[in-house]
Amino acid sequence: GQNIDQPTEMTATEGAIVQINCTYQTSGFNGLFWYQQHAGEAPTFLSYNVLDGLEEKGRFSSFLSRSKGYSYLLLKELQMKDSASYLCAVRDSNYQLIWGAGTKLIIKP
Amino acid sequence: IAGITQAPTSQILAAGRRMTLRCTQDMRHNAMYWYRQDLGLGLRLIHYSNTAGTTGKGEVPDGYSVSRANTDDFPLTLASAVPSQTSVYFCASSDSVENEQFFGPGTRLTVL
Repeated sequence: GQNIDQPTEMTATEGAIVQINCTYQTSGFNGLFWYQQHAGEAPTFLSYNVLDGLEEKGRFSSFLSRSKGYSYLLLKELQMKDSASYLCAVRDSNYQLIWGAGTKLIIKP
Repeated sequence: IAGITQAPTSQILAAGRRMTLRCTQDMRHNAMYWYRQDLGLGLRLIHYSNTAGTTGKGEVPDGYSVSRANTDDFPLTLASAVPSQTSVYFCASSDSVENEQFFGPGTRLTVL
C-alpha cells in the first residue's frame, strides 16, 4: 500500500529552527510537495522536490532523498505566524498526490 | 473572481438528501480535483478531471459523482448523503498534472 508518515505534532520556540520529517512508501515517485495549512483554511503550496538535494526558498528549505524515501521541511527564524499544519504529499506513478496526515506545528514565544 | 471559489461555505444536510458542492476557477487550469479532509487523516482524493470533458475516480469515489462540462466548473454531487460523508471538502486545480495544486477555501459539510 501507499503510506506517508509525518509526526503528528511538534512544538518550537519563536526565532528558532525546526525540521519536520516525512517518510514515504508509494507506487512510483514523481515529486514531493510541502503545503502549509492554517487552521480553518485551505492548504497553500510551499515547495516541490523531484531531485535529491536541498531546495531553499527564503526561510523555508526542503530536502529530498529518493533512495531513502525521505524528505524534510526546515523552517528558520520561526515566527508566530508559522503556527500551522504542514502537509507532505508525494505524486505517484499515476500522477496523483498521496497526502500525509500533516504535522501541527505550535510556536511558543 | 480570483483563483478558486467554492459554495456553499458550510452546510448541514439531512441523511438521504441530494447535495451539489460547487467549484469554479478562473485560472484556465486544465486539471481539477475534489478532496475530503478528515481529522487525523491526510487529504483523500475523491474524483479528478485532467481536462474538460474527462473525469476519473480517486481513492474514495463511492457515493460521489462529478462532471466537467467546461474548463471552469467542477461540481461534486452526493446523490444520497450519509453521516460518514461529514467532512471538509476542498476543490483544487492545477495547470497540468505535473504542477502544484491551488486550493479553494473549502466547504464544511455535516450530514445528520
